[in-house]
Amino acid sequence: GDSVTQMEGPVTLSEEAFLTINCTYTATGYPSLFWYVQYPGEGLQLLLKATKADDKGSNKGFEATYRKETTSFHLEKGSVQVSDSAVYFCALSEIDKIIFGKGTRLHILP
Amino acid sequence: DAGVIQSPRHEVTEMGQEVTLRCKPISGHDYLFWYRQTMMRGLELLIYFNNNVPIDDSGMPEDRFSAKMPNASFSTLKIQPSEPRDSAVYFCASSRNLGQLSSYNEQFFGPGTRLTVL
Repeated sequence: GDSVTQMEGPVTLSEEAFLTINCTYTATGYPSLFWYVQYPGEGLQLLLKATKADDKGSNKGFEATYRKETTSFHLEKGSVQVSDSAVYFCALSEIDKIIFGKGTRLHILP
Repeated sequence: DAGVIQSPRHEVTEMGQEVTLRCKPISGHDYLFWYRQTMMRGLELLIYFNNNVPIDDSGMPEDRFSAKMPNASFSTLKIQPSEPRDSAVYFCASSRNLGQLSSYNEQFFGPGTRLTVL
């Protein structure tokens, strides 16, 4: 079945560093791809999405590009802030449900 | 919109007791999902409903777990009897069907119920 693989954490960076969290997927069709973020003590919330190949999703300085040829959807941010500390989930849609990766915990040090 | 509402936010109970978690989805959403999150296993889909009908309950860990959706605005997840290994954060999420040609189905999550079974 469809699946998502993302880099294991935790990832620890200093403030203003460049961030990349890798995500690859396996799918039989043409899913939409998502990044969800979970802040401490909260539920997941959608960070960005891309619905077709070569689409770039962006929000709050984060970006990810739907790469069909490499089946990837890596999350990037040019300059992270302490407030970006959270758990990030890569995900894909499968008909009427979403398949989530295991999550990557991000710690940003001031 | 109030978003997805879950209650209680925290539940502490003793092994063997019955636990009932509650969820109110966003009005107009016709899908409802129950997830469990633990450090060891990550985020697991337990069951989901479409138009109040259970579609896939293959993630329900065992017969001690049951879920119902008596109407479009309410769902329960029940554990009877509860065990310490059921300790986790349980999330409810809802989404809206945008049609068969759409693969974009953003899910909106509630704040979760943190369950501790002693």
